[in-house]
Amino acid sequence: GAGVSQSPRYKVAKRGQDVALRCDPISGHVSLFWYQQALGQGPEFLTYFQNEAQLDKSGLPSDRFFAERPEGSVSTLKIQRTQQEDSAVYLCASSLGTNRNTEAFFGQGTRLTVV
Amino acid sequence: GDSVTQMEGPVTLSEEAFLTINCTYTATGYPSLFWYVQYPGEGLQLLLKATKADDKGSNKGFEATYRKETTSFHLEKGSVQVSDSAVYFCALPRSGGSYIPTFGRGTSLIVHP
Repeated sequence: GAGVSQSPRYKVAKRGQDVALRCDPISGHVSLFWYQQALGQGPEFLTYFQNEAQLDKSGLPSDRFFAERPEGSVSTLKIQRTQQEDSAVYLCASSLGTNRNTEAFFGQGTRLTVV
Repeated sequence: GDSVTQMEGPVTLSEEAFLTINCTYTATGYPSLFWYVQYPGEGLQLLLKATKADDKGSNKGFEATYRKETTSFHLEKGSVQVSDSAVYFCALPRSGGSYIPTFGRGTSLIVHP
């Protein structure tokens, strides 16, 4: 398909387990963003890639969170030793580039529940 | 830092009612402003945008005017439909060169037949 694809759609993890969330952006999109969305809240920025370079990771809440985009296309967000407060929807977005008019295209998200 | 503030929801309306969802922004300079919509079970998608002061963005009957003097970008629709039920997010690109999209908390709209 032509849109941003995220997998899995739903993930249940036991506390302390490691998880990996995948994002497949729109082909040719240079920029890729990860967001965390708590229930009833807006997307909160986690990290940003331009091609394979991670240019901003200021939103990652702890060193348990790690993201990579090794070939400048697919990205993985990894959470180590999951905690209950990590339960949220994780959104991936991509765009052609970044300028003041850039539109971001979002995937459907991965709903992570830590039990 | 750059941010947007949206009115709290949910907003509950009857079909064909007039809709306003308020959004104000705080920013360095004059950023472009966006409204995104999230329908149930779907990802966020762009609804409309405006790139400079006094511009009006419009799409699917929705409109928003970029007001520099009041730092606002309120979303309006003259006659809502049940299918407009969704969560609406005001957004702007962060200043400083990265232009990372930054979102408000969202406003849920529920339209009853």
